[in-house]
Amino acid sequence: DIQMTQSPSTLSASVGDRVIITCRASQSCSYWLAWYQQKPGKAPNLLIYKASNLESGVPSRFSGSGSGTEFTLTISSLQPDDFATYYCQQYYSYPLTFGGGTKVEIK
Amino acid sequence: QVHLQESGPGLVKPSETLSLTCTVSGGSISNYHWSWIRQPAGKGLEWIGRISATGGTTYNPSFESRVTMSLDTSNHQLSLKLSSVTAADSAVYYCSRGVPGTGAAFYYGMDVWGQGTTVVVSS
Repeated sequence: DIQMTQSPSTLSASVGDRVIITCRASQSCSYWLAWYQQKPGKAPNLLIYKASNLESGVPSRFSGSGSGTEFTLTISSLQPDDFATYYCQQYYSYPLTFGGGTKVEIK
Repeated sequence: QVHLQESGPGLVKPSETLSLTCTVSGGSISNYHWSWIRQPAGKGLEWIGRISATGGTTYNPSFESRVTMSLDTSNHQLSLKLSSVTAADSAVYYCSRGVPGTGAAFYYGMDVWGQGTTVVVSS
């Protein structure tokens, strides 16, 4: 199985901050990586696919980069609606695996 | 706009079988992979397995001995059965959609999710 490790697990930030979340894979998943946003009591919502492709309807302040084993999700200017938990997921090989999540909190 | 809706008993007794249904509306079941994912309260996401539009299944080895997924294309429904449940199987269970990939399991990841259904395992 490909193990996904996210850091940090919790992040405190203010509106307008630039936020970077890191995801590391235990072996290469090429660029087959997605990022999801999840708010309390809601299902995850796809933000980024194939490491750097923005899902339709997702604000352009979200961006993704990386390949192989190192990936990042960047929020260029944090907005009030962005306080949530973020998960990475590799979908290169079975079983599909998720990172442990990064909770973005209000500073 | 495709919509997924999970349904099933909210309470299951230990050692029994958890049975859930996901109804797909507003879109076709064809040409997609359909996954089940779960999330214990306050914890992260865990992929249980997927079923293709033709009924082929791939399960997470962590569940392989206990899980069965099936498809009812005429009724636009997927089903999940998880046997011999324990309290550790208490979670929110989601169904989701993904496009099959070439060179990878999926192409986009999971672009549509149901709202989830909570299952508690308790006597």
